Amino acid sequence: SYELTQPPSVSVSPGQTASITCSGDKLGDKNACWYQQKPGQSPVLVMYRDYMRPSRIPERFSGSNSGNTATLTISGTQAVDEADYYCQAWDISTAVFGGGTKLTVL
Amino acid sequence: QITLKESGPTLVKPTQTLTLTCTFSGFSLSTSGVGVGWIRQPPGKALEWLALIYWDDDKRYSPSLKTRLTLTKDTSRNQVVLTMTNMDPVDTATYYCARKPYSNYGNWFAPWGQGTLVTVSS
Repeated sequence: SYELTQPPSVSVSPGQTASITCSGDKLGDKNACWYQQKPGQSPVLVMYRDYMRPSRIPERFSGSNSGNTATLTISGTQAVDEADYYCQAWDISTAVFGGGTKLTVL
Repeated sequence: QITLKESGPTLVKPTQTLTLTCTFSGFSLSTSGVGVGWIRQPPGKALEWLALIYWDDDKRYSPSLKTRLTLTKDTSRNQVVLTMTNMDPVDTATYYCARKPYSNYGNWFAPWGQGTLVTVSS
C-alpha cells in the first residue's frame, strides 16, 4: 500500500521559515494537499493541488511537490501556526494521509 | 456556508456495529464531482482515511477496512451514513466527515465536520 512519510516534529523560531516535508514514491506525479490541526479542533485545509492556497489561508503558507517530496513552507512563522500538519494524496482511488508533523514555534 | 456534522453513539461494545450519520448543508451531493468522505483519528494519533462516496453513488473504501465498511447516501436529506461492523477497542477514535469538492486535479477534503468521539469498550 502507498505510504506518506513526514518528520514527527519540526521546530522554528518566530519569524523564521518552517519547512515540513512529505515523502512518497513518485509523489510529484500526484496532487498533494495539507491540513492544519490545532489541539481539540478539526483539520483545516491549508494547501491543495500541491501549491494552491484556500482563500482564507495566509499568504505566508506555500507549497511545492516534485520527485518524491511535497513540502509545506511557512514564511515568517507565527505562534498561531503551531499545530499538527498532515499531508494527503491519492493512490489508485485511495486517500492516504501522512503520519503528521508537530510544528513547534519557540 | 458549508457545514457538516457527525452524529451517532459515543460508546459501542466490542463486536457491535457502529452507525454514524453525516448531516451536511451548503452543498448538494447530487452535484457532479462532489463527494463526502470519512476520516478517523485515534486519540493522540494520525488521521486515517476510511471511505468516500461520490455524487453518482460510486464508493471507495480503505483497503484495510473494506470488508467492515458500508456507505450510503440520502441526497434528499443531505445525509451520508457510514456503518462499521465488528467494532474493536482499537477502533476508538474521533470520526470526521468532510466534503470532497469537484476537481480535475486530485481530491482533498474541505471543510470537515466537528468530529464525534466513539469509544469501544465493554
